[in-house]
Amino acid sequence: DQQVKQNSPSLSVQEGRISILNCDYTNSMFDYFLWYKKYPAEGPTFLISISSIKDKNEDGRFTVFLNKSAKHLSLHIVPSQPGDSAVYFCAAMDSNYQLIWGAGTKLIIKP
Amino acid sequence: DGGITQSPKYLFRKEGQNVTLSCEQNLNHDAMYWYRQDPGQGLRLIYYSQIVNDFQKGDIAEGYSVSREKKESFPLTVTSAQKNPTAFYLCASSIATGGRYEQYFGPGTRLTVT
Repeated sequence: DQQVKQNSPSLSVQEGRISILNCDYTNSMFDYFLWYKKYPAEGPTFLISISSIKDKNEDGRFTVFLNKSAKHLSLHIVPSQPGDSAVYFCAAMDSNYQLIWGAGTKLIIKP
Repeated sequence: DGGITQSPKYLFRKEGQNVTLSCEQNLNHDAMYWYRQDPGQGLRLIYYSQIVNDFQKGDIAEGYSVSREKKESFPLTVTSAQKNPTAFYLCASSIATGGRYEQYFGPGTRLTVT
């Protein structure tokens, strides 16, 4: 059973607009979440993280929001740029400090 | 430049053969990890190592083996016992385990077994 779910396999957004990527989790014990970006045939690169003591973390164009009651987090990218086209993975850290990964969402930025 | 290298980028093997994937890091990280990625799935942990000469099984360790004789190196052997070895393999490292440390990834090795 997937503990971290990214229900949208793909998302298409116009350049300059906001991209919103969603992630749901089932284990209320998860207290640290990370977003990674991955280009084809490359390893993922870390983007941004959030601890459960916060509901928002911002880094430049990237903002992650956490709604603990809904067990939901989202990554906002504003404004979206062509280089943002990639697969985005959401991951949650379990009690053993191991990462539990979602299946990823492919973001396509249209010119 | 500090980073993680994996070689080769593409690897082809015949069924029944063992194959070893290389992973080297010069980040001075204590912890290293091996993941497998299949299409439409998230990364799944195969093995991880917190320190030299020590390693633990992840969620899908069957059919794989590892060694950690040096801090910089964490090779993964895909044995003939692994039923579905064709996949994209990713190596990662972090400063340590037991804390909120982000993992840094290598470029990956795509293994195809026919």
